[in-house]
Amino acid sequence: SQQGEEDPQALSIQEGENATMNCSYKTSINNLQWYRQNSGRGLVHLILIRSNEREKHSGRLRVTLDTSKKSSSLLITASRAADTASYFCATDILIGANSKLTFGKGITLSVRP
Amino acid sequence: ETGVTQTPRHLVMGMTNKKSLKCEQHLGHNAMYWYKQSAKKPLELMFVYNFKEQTENNSVPSRFSPECPNSSHLFLHLHTLQPEDSALYLCASSHPPWGTVNTGELFFGEGSRLTVL
Repeated sequence: SQQGEEDPQALSIQEGENATMNCSYKTSINNLQWYRQNSGRGLVHLILIRSNEREKHSGRLRVTLDTSKKSSSLLITASRAADTASYFCATDILIGANSKLTFGKGITLSVRP
Repeated sequence: ETGVTQTPRHLVMGMTNKKSLKCEQHLGHNAMYWYKQSAKKPLELMFVYNFKEQTENNSVPSRFSPECPNSSHLFLHLHTLQPEDSALYLCASSHPPWGTVNTGELFFGEGSRLTVL
């Protein structure tokens, strides 16, 4: 079974609307990260939230973390056509004395002009 | 630009060929990674190198052979691949070494799209 799973798998919205993407995980984490990937390109880091943080902002991005529910959400406000991409959550978990970063399958976001 | 450069961007090879993927990072990072990305599947970690030493091999078939001559360069040597090995291969680097508490941000290259005929 997967450590981090994003929801929904695909999301289509109109330009100007907000996009909310969710990530659930199974075990305790050190931190949770969100990445973006344009078609055929590499992943780009968006934001990292640590296990002792509840909310972080970066420009039009807002990330929340609820460790009691083992879930995180990524909100993109006032979406633009250029936000069309795949979005991945990655969970950093502690295994013994080491940590390991694991990615989910991703969410495909389409923003219609 | 993320500071991680991968070449070639596209590669088509036959099952009997031998080819190599190259990754170079200009960020002064200590850890370098190879990931495999196939359609509809999570990103799969293949190999990790910390300070040029391999610290993780995620049960990768021996037809994939990594090489890390220094902290800035990482290669993936390919031989006798199978069609199911066709995928996007991503290289990444990070400053904190893999395995330390709190993995930091990963910087990815643009990937090498591999097609095995």
